[in-house]
Amino acid sequence: GAVVSQHPSWVICKSGTSVKIECRSLDFQATTMFWYRQFPKQSLMLMATSNEGSKATYEQGVEKDKFLINHASLTLSTLTVTSAHPEDSSFYICSAKGPGGTVNTGELFFGEGSRLTVL
Amino acid sequence: SQKIEQNSEALNIQEGKTATLTCNYTNYSPAYLQWYRQDPGRGPVFLLLIRENEKEKRKERLKVTFDTTLKQSLFHITASQPADSATYLCALGGATNKLIFGTGTLLAVQP
Repeated sequence: GAVVSQHPSWVICKSGTSVKIECRSLDFQATTMFWYRQFPKQSLMLMATSNEGSKATYEQGVEKDKFLINHASLTLSTLTVTSAHPEDSSFYICSAKGPGGTVNTGELFFGEGSRLTVL
Repeated sequence: SQKIEQNSEALNIQEGKTATLTCNYTNYSPAYLQWYRQDPGRGPVFLLLIRENEKEKRKERLKVTFDTTLKQSLFHITASQPADSATYLCALGGATNKLIFGTGTLLAVQP
């Protein structure tokens, strides 16, 4: 099946710094990628929809200036957590629609997730 | 607001038995429903998709039912194995192509 790779898998940073997480579709082109955040024992919460070549669409309550999303190519989307604070500590997961179809004709392919810890 | 509820308690069953997980939703009319498996510290992995006009879908030891009147989906794993132990997430989708996830149910299959 299609493979989505995330990097880094975990990162620890100091409060006030910025962290970039990469999401790559390895064997297919992904015009749309989704970024989720998951707190312990909670559901995946959609943060934003990343569209190649255009601005991301953010969900209500998600600060676009704090969570910068760039989808510059058909295989790469990045999420930058700017001026990170301890409350931003979470598990961030990206996903992409599979090749050749919309999500309602198939599944989403998820990356392995990135564990962010802000000290 | 849209709400998805899954068994909040962990489900413990004996190896070989059938595990049944429940997904209930309110204030939503999904075009389709998906089930994912998530292992600790990993991203979810797709298992099955069932559309609103389908009652049942099977894949190997997995079976999913979808009752749009009851607003409920049941997810069955027959002949369960310890390797089936994981968190199982249901997710609803519609015309916007965005998925809304439930909180998941932790399944533990005892050998």
